[in-house]
Amino acid sequence: GEDVEQSLFLSVREGDSSVINCTYTDSSSTYLYWYKQEPGAGLQLLTYIFSNMDMKQDQRLTVLLNKKDKHLSLRIADTQTGDSAIYFCAETTNSGYSTLTFGKGTMLLVSP
Amino acid sequence: DTEVTQTPKHLVMGMTNKKSLKCEQHMGHRAMYWYKQKAKKPPELMFVYSYEKLSINESVPSRFSPECPNSSLLNLHLHALQPEDSALYLCASSQDASDRNYGYTFGSGTRLTVV
Repeated sequence: GEDVEQSLFLSVREGDSSVINCTYTDSSSTYLYWYKQEPGAGLQLLTYIFSNMDMKQDQRLTVLLNKKDKHLSLRIADTQTGDSAIYFCAETTNSGYSTLTFGKGTMLLVSP
Repeated sequence: DTEVTQTPKHLVMGMTNKKSLKCEQHMGHRAMYWYKQKAKKPPELMFVYSYEKLSINESVPSRFSPECPNSSLLNLHLHALQPEDSALYLCASSQDASDRNYGYTFGSGTRLTVV
């Protein structure tokens, strides 16, 4: 079955880099996503990576994928207080409907 | 228009009430989804509609009744809910139900409280 694990909490200072980690168990996972959820709001897609990629960079965001270890990370450079939110890792497989399986979410707290 | 709009934003209902949640998108997406999110938990899939047909029902109790009147609109009809059904209900859409390239676009949700 599918299972996605994340650490629950991360605290950083403004200007530092944040690294949020995620592990997944389904070897047929082919698309992996990072979503951001601010308090009381819906989910915002930040970035995604295909399983045939090792890295993807998008402005302050860098996604690293280690397929062998089934490990995904999201690095946020120059973290700002506005980055404080819950970050969900999600995966989907390559067959059938593209339903998402979410991790439990990592709460990122950025202090001034 | 690149948004999924959900109404109402907040809803308080009694256990004997009937109410409906509404979700609308005008991006031409042909797949729409209902997710339920309890506090401090990840979203859990409830229903998937593909081309206006119900494709997946994740064993959701019949007190939740989805409806997709057209490709832009998705409703969730609620009847005889329990207090444990209180949650954030999220609607999402995607190009189609097999599209993986861009993930989902989520609405901001309806915060439901059952009293």
